[in-house]
Amino acid sequence: EVQLVESGGVVVQPGGSLRLSCAASGFTFDDYTMHWVRQAPGKGLEWVSLISWDGGSTYYADSVKGRFTISRDNSKNSLYLQMNSLRTEDTALYYCAKDKGSGSYAFDYWGQGTLVTVSS
Amino acid sequence: QSALTQPASVSGSPGQSITISCTGTSSDVGSYNLVSWYQQHPVKAPKLMIYEVSKRPSGVSNRFSGSKSGNTASLTISGLQAEDEADYYCCSYAGSSTPRVFGTGTKVTVL
Repeated sequence: EVQLVESGGVVVQPGGSLRLSCAASGFTFDDYTMHWVRQAPGKGLEWVSLISWDGGSTYYADSVKGRFTISRDNSKNSLYLQMNSLRTEDTALYYCAKDKGSGSYAFDYWGQGTLVTVSS
Repeated sequence: QSALTQPASVSGSPGQSITISCTGTSSDVGSYNLVSWYQQHPVKAPKLMIYEVSKRPSGVSNRFSGSKSGNTASLTISGLQAEDEADYYCCSYAGSSTPRVFGTGTKVTVL
């Protein structure tokens, strides 16, 4: 059974930093691209970032480019999101999501999310 | 890259069919057959319902179907049931600079 478990969400002040983690199990982690997707309270889904299976390619939404860094450790089946220069508008539930692969460009499994609150 | 446009809400009676539209541009929906749809119940993670415009993952009811015409993709739910009441989001590949873009989301209400 595929499981994605996010952690690291806390309350942080504007301008602060935070590192989110996602522990993956139930599939061959290093075969798949992985994503972070966020959802602000009461709002829609927003794609944040992706990383290729080997970490060689990363992409970011314009809203986080230059502030967030996605990474992975395939030896630990883990995905990370380093978040710097946090803004109040970064407040959201952050989901880790697995890419379906095979060129489908879809997210076939999601974690339950970890809540990041940016507030003074 | 702007979000894809969906109607804020769609409603229908049990047993009816409803269709949710997802309008993008020639840079995303119109250029790639890589539209997916997600169902999200309150305080739950999203669930993949349709990928590559019209393909259903294993375990998803065949009451859900997808299509695309030009810059607009659509999700149709036939034989509407109470458990279909949820938020629905489309998502499209949008090129190498912005690999994914979501729709604005649609709340489906079963009357």
